[in-house]
Amino acid sequence: GAVVSQHPSWVICKSGTSVKIECRSLDFQATTMFWYRQFPKQSLMLMATSNEGSKATYEQGVEKDKFLINHASLTLSTLTVTSAHPEDSSFYICSASPRTVNQPQHFGDGTRLSIL
Amino acid sequence: AQKITQTQPGMFVQEKEAVTLDCTYDTSDPSYGLFWYKQPSSGEMIFLIYQGSYDQQNATEGRYSLNFQKARKSANLVISASQLGDSAMYFCAMREGNNQGGKLIFGQGTELSVKP
Repeated sequence: GAVVSQHPSWVICKSGTSVKIECRSLDFQATTMFWYRQFPKQSLMLMATSNEGSKATYEQGVEKDKFLINHASLTLSTLTVTSAHPEDSSFYICSASPRTVNQPQHFGDGTRLSIL
Repeated sequence: AQKITQTQPGMFVQEKEAVTLDCTYDTSDPSYGLFWYKQPSSGEMIFLIYQGSYDQQNATEGRYSLNFQKARKSANLVISASQLGDSAMYFCAMREGNNQGGKLIFGQGTELSVKP
């Protein structure tokens, strides 16, 4: 089945640093990938839609300059949290869907980000 | 306006019994897809079952079935013969349109606890 790999699984870093999270579709091509954020005991909130070869589409309220998304190939999207602060600490999870119509989105295992 | 609503923050079920998790949705698009995902405490999102808006029959996948009532705009998940490993968060999600690249909108989630 379709597999999405997300790396790293855990990140702990100091306030002010930038953190890059990778999302790869391992056995299919994904022109579109999605990035979500999830706080404990809450639902997944869509942050942005990552489009291969073009700019990402951000949801309302998501800072474009804070959360940089790059989708340079059909199998890789990256999310960079720039100048991270403690309030950016969260669970970030990506997803991608094979091109076949009505295929479910497949999720990476998520990244737990802790900013000290 | 909330498009996906899960009104049960938490549910308990006895092992081996069946349980129904509620989900209602709202959309004006005649073409849409409904999904259920399971999220264990480890965080990964596990796809369970899919129902298309034009599907005539309720979807079933092993112990999971989807009680799709289109007129009532509900898509309840039924888990039969509950197992201890079913304890997790469960999310209902909707994708509008028939575009495989369409984003998912998630409900608030229901935390299911299976009692031995």
